[in-house]
Amino acid sequence: GQQLNQSPQSMFIQEGEDVSMNCTSSSIFNTWLWYKQDPGEGPVLLIALYKAGELTSNGRLTAQFGITRKDSFLNISASIPSDVGIYFCAGRLTDSNYQLIWGAGTKLIIKP
Amino acid sequence: ETGVTQSPTHLIKTRGQQVTLRCSSQSGHNTVSWYQQALGQGPQFIFQYYREEENGRGNFPPRFSGLQFPNYSSELNVNALELDDSALYLCANSLGGRQETQYFGPGTRLLVL
Repeated sequence: GQQLNQSPQSMFIQEGEDVSMNCTSSSIFNTWLWYKQDPGEGPVLLIALYKAGELTSNGRLTAQFGITRKDSFLNISASIPSDVGIYFCAGRLTDSNYQLIWGAGTKLIIKP
Repeated sequence: ETGVTQSPTHLIKTRGQQVTLRCSSQSGHNTVSWYQQALGQGPQFIFQYYREEENGRGNFPPRFSGLQFPNYSSELNVNALELDDSALYLCANSLGGRQETQYFGPGTRLLVL
């Protein structure tokens, strides 16, 4: 089936550092979504992207819809302890109904 | 706090058994989607119900079935459980099926032995 390659799988960072993660696919998507999942909870939507080249911010988070429509990027600036969690990208294919394809997640860990 | 609740929170079953998982609905949210999330993976779409009818299905066998009730709450039923069915099962409510506006419950952790 369709797959999204999300990287890195995990990140160990110092508080205050900037973070970058991305998702790539061999297929074209018409929507990219970024979610965060905390332990014991379901994913929560962070940012939604609808157009190639679109750059959208939500506080310290910024995400971009790649020009080729096959990738997306999420950046977190000046990380804080509550940023710890698992970040997922999800995309909707151009010829799909409402079904989302999800990446495997990037686990963000802040070094003490 | 999304207002979406799921029960039970944890469940242990043995291979071959059947299981029913439940999901509440936020007021007016007429669409529910169910996902399977294996350990270390992203959620995988199982199916979606809109106004009590299934209107989309992922790559899951027929032994995964669902129901949506008039109050928009929902059940996921899995028959003939297999070891690989061990996962976190998430439901998500939305209005009209737009997945970017969906709210997830905390999930039910199912372990099949």
